Amino acid sequence: DAGITQSPRYKITETGRQVTLMCHQTWSHSYMFWYRQDLGHGLRLIYYSAAADITDKGEVPDGYVVSRSKTENFPLTLESATRSQTSVYFCASSSGTGRTTEAFFGQGTRLTVV
Amino acid sequence: GENVEQHPSTLSVQEGDSAVIKCTYSDSASNYFPWYKQELGKGPQLIIDIRSNVGEKKDQRIAVTLNKTAKHFSLHITETQPEDSAVYFCAARNYGQNFVFGPGTRLSVLP
Repeated sequence: DAGITQSPRYKITETGRQVTLMCHQTWSHSYMFWYRQDLGHGLRLIYYSAAADITDKGEVPDGYVVSRSKTENFPLTLESATRSQTSVYFCASSSGTGRTTEAFFGQGTRLTVV
Repeated sequence: GENVEQHPSTLSVQEGDSAVIKCTYSDSASNYFPWYKQELGKGPQLIIDIRSNVGEKKDQRIAVTLNKTAKHFSLHITETQPEDSAVYFCAARNYGQNFVFGPGTRLSVLP
């Protein structure tokens, strides 16, 4: 399927477990982003990547790890999940041609840490 | 870093009336300002955007204005319809290619 897809759509995990959220885009966009969305906070940037093998921290990176070995994939790993990481996670991608291009969002992953 | 504020946080209008959402940003280097609409259970989708070399842009019932001197931009929706009910986010993009989003406005269009 063309576009940007996230998996899983819903995930329940226990405190202390490692969990990986997947993100795949088919446009060969250079830039990819991970945001979390919580009530009252809007969309907060966790990590972003400007190209394969280039990643950088966003506003709220603690407790998360990312990798980008291929342009089309940008997985987000919670190394030891905590209840405060219960949230809706959105992956996005954007073309690298200039600074004035939109971001395309996936459908989101609702993660619950119990 | 960039900081984007957005007001109001909630907005209720009667069907057919206009709705205005305002955002301010802090980084004068930002030069791209998109607006996203998020419906329940979905990811945000771009509805309109404006670049720093333009003061106003219109697309049917939706318009965006930008005042670079004052560092604020606004979304205007005219002739609102029930399907306009959603959460709207403004954003600013800076040299680091990051999008910084406002906290969102929940728009309700009452029939």
